[in-house]
Amino acid sequence: EIVMTQSPATLSVSPGERATLSCRASQSVSSNLAWYQQKPGQAPRLLIYGASTRATGIPARFSGSGSGTEFTLTISSLQSEDFAVYSCQQYNNWPPGEWTFGQGTKVEFK
Amino acid sequence: EVQLVQSGAEVKKPGESLKISCKGSGYSFTSYWIGWVRQMPGKGLEWMGIIYPGDSDTRYSPSFQGQVTISADKSISTAYLQWSSLKASDTAMFYCARLYAWGSYRAFDYWGQGTLVTVSS
Repeated sequence: EIVMTQSPATLSVSPGERATLSCRASQSVSSNLAWYQQKPGQAPRLLIYGASTRATGIPARFSGSGSGTEFTLTISSLQSEDFAVYSCQQYNNWPPGEWTFGQGTKVEFK
Repeated sequence: EVQLVQSGAEVKKPGESLKISCKGSGYSFTSYWIGWVRQMPGKGLEWMGIIYPGDSDTRYSPSFQGQVTISADKSISTAYLQWSSLKASDTAMFYCARLYAWGSYRAFDYWGQGTLVTVSS
Protein backbone atom coordinates (compact mmCIF):
# COMPACT_ATOMS: atom_id res chain seq x y z
CA GLU A 1 0.00 0.00 0.00
CA ILE A 2 1.28 3.45 -0.91
CA VAL A 3 1.67 5.70 2.13
CA MET A 4 1.12 9.45 1.81
CA THR A 5 2.93 11.68 4.29
CA GLN A 6 2.00 15.34 4.65
CA SER A 7 4.03 18.08 6.27
CA PRO A 8 3.81 20.05 8.37
CA ALA A 9 0.97 18.72 10.52
CA THR A 10 0.01 22.31 11.38
CA LEU A 11 0.90 25.50 9.58
CA SER A 12 0.37 28.85 11.27
CA VAL A 13 -0.10 31.63 8.74
CA SER A 14 -1.33 35.21 8.77
CA PRO A 15 -3.96 36.38 6.27
CA GLY A 16 -2.34 37.55 3.08
CA GLU A 17 0.70 35.35 3.53
CA ARG A 18 1.73 32.46 1.33
CA ALA A 19 1.20 28.90 2.53
CA THR A 20 3.14 25.93 1.19
CA LEU A 21 1.99 22.41 2.04
CA SER A 22 3.89 19.24 1.16
CA CYS A 23 2.80 15.70 0.38
CA ARG A 24 5.17 12.81 -0.17
CA ALA A 25 4.32 9.35 -1.57
CA SER A 26 6.16 6.21 -0.50
CA GLN A 27 6.51 5.28 -4.18
CA SER A 28 5.82 7.02 -7.44
CA VAL A 29 2.16 7.88 -8.15
CA SER A 30 2.96 9.78 -11.34
CA SER A 31 0.52 12.71 -11.35
CA ASN A 32 -2.38 10.73 -9.90
CA LEU A 33 -2.75 13.08 -6.97
CA ALA A 34 -5.55 15.27 -5.70
CA TRP A 35 -5.86 17.85 -2.95
CA TYR A 36 -8.94 18.42 -0.81
CA GLN A 37 -9.94 21.14 1.61
CA GLN A 38 -12.08 20.36 4.65
CA LYS A 39 -13.59 22.84 7.07
CA PRO A 40 -15.00 21.84 10.46
CA GLY A 41 -18.36 20.13 10.15
CA GLN A 42 -18.19 19.99 6.37
CA ALA A 43 -17.45 17.36 3.77
CA PRO A 44 -14.16 17.56 1.88
CA ARG A 45 -14.03 19.77 -1.21
CA LEU A 46 -11.91 18.94 -4.25
CA LEU A 47 -9.30 21.62 -5.00
CA ILE A 48 -6.76 20.06 -7.35
CA TYR A 49 -6.63 16.93 -9.50
CA GLY A 50 -3.89 15.54 -11.71
CA ALA A 51 -1.43 17.14 -9.26
CA SER A 52 -1.78 20.62 -10.78
CA THR A 53 -5.23 21.26 -12.32
CA ARG A 54 -7.69 23.32 -10.34
CA ALA A 55 -11.16 21.87 -10.03
CA THR A 56 -14.15 23.88 -11.22
CA GLY A 57 -14.69 27.06 -9.26
CA ILE A 58 -11.44 26.92 -7.30
CA PRO A 59 -9.73 30.32 -7.01
CA ALA A 60 -6.44 30.90 -8.80
CA ARG A 61 -4.63 31.49 -5.48
CA PHE A 62 -4.62 27.69 -5.09
CA SER A 63 -1.96 25.91 -7.12
CA GLY A 64 -0.55 22.40 -7.14
CA SER A 65 2.75 21.09 -8.41
CA GLY A 66 4.91 18.00 -8.43
CA SER A 67 4.94 14.48 -9.82
CA GLY A 68 6.29 11.11 -8.84
CA THR A 69 6.70 11.21 -5.08
CA GLU A 70 6.88 14.92 -4.15
CA PHE A 71 3.91 17.27 -4.33
CA THR A 72 3.12 20.77 -3.16
CA LEU A 73 -0.05 22.76 -2.62
CA THR A 74 0.49 26.51 -2.52
CA ILE A 75 -2.01 29.12 -1.41
CA SER A 76 -0.54 32.36 -2.69
CA SER A 77 -2.30 34.83 -0.39
CA LEU A 78 -4.33 33.31 2.41
CA GLN A 79 -7.89 34.53 2.82
CA SER A 80 -9.90 34.07 6.00
CA GLU A 81 -11.97 31.33 4.36
CA ASP A 82 -8.84 29.28 3.59
CA PHE A 83 -8.17 28.29 7.20
CA ALA A 84 -8.97 24.58 7.05
CA VAL A 85 -7.44 21.11 6.84
CA TYR A 86 -5.88 20.10 3.52
CA SER A 87 -5.43 16.47 2.50
CA CYS A 88 -3.67 14.90 -0.43
CA GLN A 89 -4.91 11.69 -2.03
CA GLN A 90 -3.30 9.32 -4.53
CA TYR A 91 -4.55 6.39 -6.51
CA ASN A 92 -2.84 3.59 -8.38
CA ASN A 93 -3.76 0.29 -10.06
CA TRP A 94 -6.67 1.78 -11.95
CA PRO A 95 -9.26 0.38 -12.48
CA PRO A 96 -10.73 0.68 -10.01
CA GLY A 97 -7.74 1.86 -8.08
CA GLU A 98 -6.32 1.71 -4.60
CA TRP A 99 -6.70 5.09 -2.98
CA THR A 100 -4.91 6.53 0.02
CA PHE A 101 -5.05 9.89 1.78
CA GLY A 102 -2.41 11.77 3.64
CA GLN A 103 -3.08 12.53 7.29
CA GLY A 104 -3.81 16.20 6.57
CA THR A 105 -2.25 19.60 7.23
CA LYS A 106 -4.17 22.06 9.34
CA VAL A 107 -3.73 25.67 8.23
CA GLU A 108 -4.47 27.85 11.22
CA PHE A 109 -4.51 31.54 11.97
CA LYS A 110 -1.20 32.88 13.27
CA GLU B 1 -27.31 19.64 -10.04
CA VAL B 2 -25.25 16.70 -8.86
CA GLN B 3 -26.13 15.66 -5.33
CA LEU B 4 -25.22 12.81 -3.03
CA VAL B 5 -27.57 12.63 -0.07
CA GLN B 6 -26.66 10.32 2.76
CA SER B 7 -28.87 8.77 5.41
CA GLY B 8 -29.07 10.27 8.86
CA ALA B 9 -26.97 9.81 11.96
CA GLU B 10 -27.10 6.46 13.71
CA VAL B 11 -26.55 5.40 17.32
CA LYS B 12 -25.96 1.70 17.73
CA LYS B 13 -24.74 -0.79 20.30
CA PRO B 14 -21.72 -3.05 19.83
CA GLY B 15 -22.65 -6.20 17.95
CA GLU B 16 -25.56 -4.63 16.09
CA SER B 17 -25.77 -4.47 12.32
CA LEU B 18 -26.12 -1.31 10.25
CA LYS B 19 -26.59 -0.23 6.65
CA ILE B 20 -26.17 3.41 5.66
CA SER B 21 -27.06 4.84 2.28
CA CYS B 22 -25.98 7.39 -0.30
CA LYS B 23 -28.49 8.47 -2.95
CA GLY B 24 -27.22 10.11 -6.09
CA SER B 25 -29.15 12.50 -8.30
CA GLY B 26 -28.53 14.97 -11.10
CA TYR B 27 -26.29 12.62 -13.08
CA SER B 28 -26.17 9.10 -14.52
CA PHE B 29 -25.69 7.11 -11.30
CA THR B 30 -24.68 3.93 -13.13
CA SER B 31 -21.83 5.61 -15.00
CA TYR B 32 -19.65 6.80 -12.13
CA TRP B 33 -17.81 4.97 -9.36
CA ILE B 34 -18.85 5.81 -5.80
CA GLY B 35 -16.28 5.69 -3.02
CA TRP B 36 -16.71 5.49 0.75
CA VAL B 37 -14.43 7.36 3.15
CA ARG B 38 -14.14 7.10 6.93
CA GLN B 39 -13.17 9.93 9.24
CA MET B 40 -12.71 9.00 12.86
CA PRO B 41 -13.16 11.75 15.44
CA GLY B 42 -10.40 14.33 15.08
CA LYS B 43 -8.58 12.24 12.49
CA GLY B 44 -7.86 12.25 8.77
CA LEU B 45 -9.67 10.73 5.82
CA GLU B 46 -9.40 7.00 5.09
CA TRP B 47 -10.50 5.42 1.83
CA MET B 48 -12.62 2.33 2.50
CA GLY B 49 -13.65 1.08 -0.89
CA ILE B 50 -15.28 1.87 -4.20
CA ILE B 51 -18.16 0.51 -6.26
CA TYR B 52 -19.34 0.90 -9.83
CA PRO B 53 -23.14 0.91 -9.62
CA GLY B 54 -23.49 -0.09 -13.27
CA ASP B 55 -22.28 -3.63 -12.59
CA SER B 56 -21.52 -3.58 -8.83
CA ASP B 57 -17.79 -4.10 -9.41
CA THR B 58 -16.28 -3.40 -5.99
CA ARG B 59 -12.81 -2.93 -4.55
CA TYR B 60 -11.94 -2.63 -0.86
CA SER B 61 -9.03 -1.07 0.93
CA PRO B 62 -7.02 -3.85 2.61
CA SER B 63 -7.74 -2.12 5.92
CA PHE B 64 -11.49 -2.56 5.46
CA GLN B 65 -11.71 -5.84 3.51
CA GLY B 66 -13.92 -8.21 5.45
CA GLN B 67 -14.96 -5.49 7.91
CA VAL B 68 -17.66 -3.82 5.80
CA THR B 69 -19.73 -4.54 2.71
CA ILE B 70 -20.28 -2.02 -0.06
CA SER B 71 -23.23 -2.49 -2.40
CA ALA B 72 -25.47 -0.54 -4.73
CA ASP B 73 -29.01 -0.64 -6.05
CA LYS B 74 -28.94 1.06 -9.42
CA SER B 75 -32.72 0.98 -9.72
CA ILE B 76 -32.94 3.60 -6.97
CA SER B 77 -29.54 5.27 -7.55
CA THR B 78 -28.31 4.37 -4.08
CA ALA B 79 -25.06 3.01 -2.72
CA TYR B 80 -24.72 1.36 0.66
CA LEU B 81 -22.16 0.69 3.33
CA GLN B 82 -22.97 -1.97 5.87
CA TRP B 83 -21.64 -3.69 8.94
CA SER B 84 -22.77 -7.05 10.29
CA SER B 85 -21.43 -6.54 13.80
CA LEU B 86 -20.44 -3.06 14.88
CA LYS B 87 -17.62 -2.28 17.30
CA ALA B 88 -17.01 0.82 19.34
CA SER B 89 -14.05 1.54 17.09
CA ASP B 90 -16.45 1.93 14.14
CA THR B 91 -17.56 5.26 15.61
CA ALA B 92 -16.83 7.79 12.89
CA MET B 93 -18.20 10.02 10.16
CA PHE B 94 -18.65 8.23 6.86
CA TYR B 95 -18.74 10.00 3.50
CA CYS B 96 -19.67 8.81 0.05
CA ALA B 97 -18.18 10.57 -2.95
CA ARG B 98 -18.47 10.42 -6.73
CA LEU B 99 -15.39 9.59 -8.75
CA TYR B 100 -14.94 11.76 -11.83
CA ALA B 101 -12.43 11.40 -14.65
CA TRP B 102 -10.72 14.22 -16.51
CA GLY B 103 -8.83 12.41 -19.23
CA SER B 104 -6.53 10.05 -17.39
CA TYR B 105 -6.89 11.78 -14.01
CA ARG B 106 -9.48 10.92 -11.40
CA ALA B 107 -10.65 12.38 -8.13
CA PHE B 108 -13.74 12.57 -5.97
CA ASP B 109 -15.58 15.66 -7.14
CA TYR B 110 -18.89 15.51 -5.28
CA TRP B 111 -19.33 14.39 -1.71
CA GLY B 112 -22.27 13.47 0.45
CA GLN B 113 -22.91 15.42 3.61
CA GLY B 114 -21.66 12.56 5.78
CA THR B 115 -23.33 10.06 8.11
CA LEU B 116 -22.22 10.02 11.72
CA VAL B 117 -22.20 6.54 13.23
CA THR B 118 -21.86 6.26 16.99
CA VAL B 119 -21.36 2.83 18.52
CA SER B 120 -21.67 2.76 22.29
CA SER B 121 -23.01 0.42 24.90
